[in-house]
Amino acid sequence: EPEVTQTPSHQVTQMGQEVILRCVPISNHLYFYWYRQILGQKVEFLVSFYNNEISEKSEIFDDQFSVERPDGSNFTLKIRSTKLEDSAMYFCASNGQGRSGYTFGSGTRLTVV
Amino acid sequence: ELKVEQNPLFLSMQEGKNYTIYCNYSTTSDRLYWYRQDPGKSLESLFVLLSNGAVKQEGRLMASLDTKARLSTLHITAAVHDLSATYFCAVDIWSNQFYFGTGTSLTVIP
Repeated sequence: EPEVTQTPSHQVTQMGQEVILRCVPISNHLYFYWYRQILGQKVEFLVSFYNNEISEKSEIFDDQFSVERPDGSNFTLKIRSTKLEDSAMYFCASNGQGRSGYTFGSGTRLTVV
Repeated sequence: ELKVEQNPLFLSMQEGKNYTIYCNYSTTSDRLYWYRQDPGKSLESLFVLLSNGAVKQEGRLMASLDTKARLSTLHITAAVHDLSATYFCAVDIWSNQFYFGTGTSLTVIP
């Protein structure tokens, strides 16, 4: 079964550093998303991406965040200057038809120290 | 802002028993999704409910959707330990994002 692949699985970074989280969505999918989950809490939407541009973003997705699809396969989330409160599990997701449900990646656990 | 609430938040049940998890949402939607999450793991899709009255079953789990009541239920029949996990519902309101519920942490006790 096709998978969404995320790397790394765990990233530890110092406060103020930049991090890039990487995702390889399912190859024929058109819609890409980032969500985050702070430990023990619910999953929160960050951003959706379609046709090489952001289609929606939440209040969490401020100027410190950016997304990119640098080539035909990767989809990245960059956090420019990490804060302690950015520590969370970040999930990438993709789907092919907009409203048929997502396939989530295995997640990247980001720990900011 | 759309609110998606689940109850209970924590559920401890004995093996062999039945129970229902409820998911209420605050605005009109005709699509609802259920996911399972094991500790430290990703979200596994369980059910996609696409219309009012939709009912889907997989093994010991059955999900239903009542769009008029803005309510979905996840019913567990004859629980087994392997069902221990956190269950999330998520609602799609014709925007390009899902709104997740608060999650229900289920522990099945032998």
